[in-house]
Amino acid sequence: RKEVEQDPGPFNVPEGATVAFNCTYSNSASQSFFWYRQDCRKEPKLLMSVYSSGNEDGRFTAQLNRASQYISLLIRDSKLSDSATYLCVVNGRSQGNLIFGKGTKLSVKP
Amino acid sequence: SQTIHQWPATLVQPVGSPLSLECTVEGTSNPNLYWYRQAAGRGLQLLFYSVGIGQISSEVPQNLSASRPQDRQFILSSKKLLLSDSGFYLCAWSTDAEGEKLFFGSGTQLSVL
Repeated sequence: RKEVEQDPGPFNVPEGATVAFNCTYSNSASQSFFWYRQDCRKEPKLLMSVYSSGNEDGRFTAQLNRASQYISLLIRDSKLSDSATYLCVVNGRSQGNLIFGKGTKLSVKP
Repeated sequence: SQTIHQWPATLVQPVGSPLSLECTVEGTSNPNLYWYRQAAGRGLQLLFYSVGIGQISSEVPQNLSASRPQDRQFILSSKKLLLSDSGFYLCAWSTDAEGEKLFFGSGTQLSVL
């Protein structure tokens, strides 16, 4: 099993749609979880941390299920500007080592 | 506020040539510094990280090396590039205050021909 797995997509959705991305991780000892956003040929940028109780930031909701080792990101009322690749990130086995998923590509169409 | 500078933005190098990529951070002291590589169709791979001057940890064996001559400077080098070294190289920093959140430079797209 890969350390962090994501559906690569692409997810093609119309403006205003709700879309959800899933991510699974293999290291049950992981304690830190994040979603990053990466635009084409740009650097990744932190979108949000993922907390055990779930957390929301505007149209974005992140959830963590430790028992299933599963993280999700929900985007409501999609905007054209949400088009990007979303990276699931989990802390790894050694100091300083964050494990990045390959990303899920989202394309929001007018 | 903190900023991270990485250059050059793009680089085309022949196989067997040397490489030097530089990264500097401003607005923070004693940051943790990282070099990542993103190859086509693959996730970000941690190459090196450093918790202080002269302290380098390597995550994968390869023909690349890293150095940290100053607190806020991180350099990625190679004596002889391979075709497989092509990719998008990203420098990043974090601080204990930020936990494990990473802040990336704008990246260098390296093509080895």
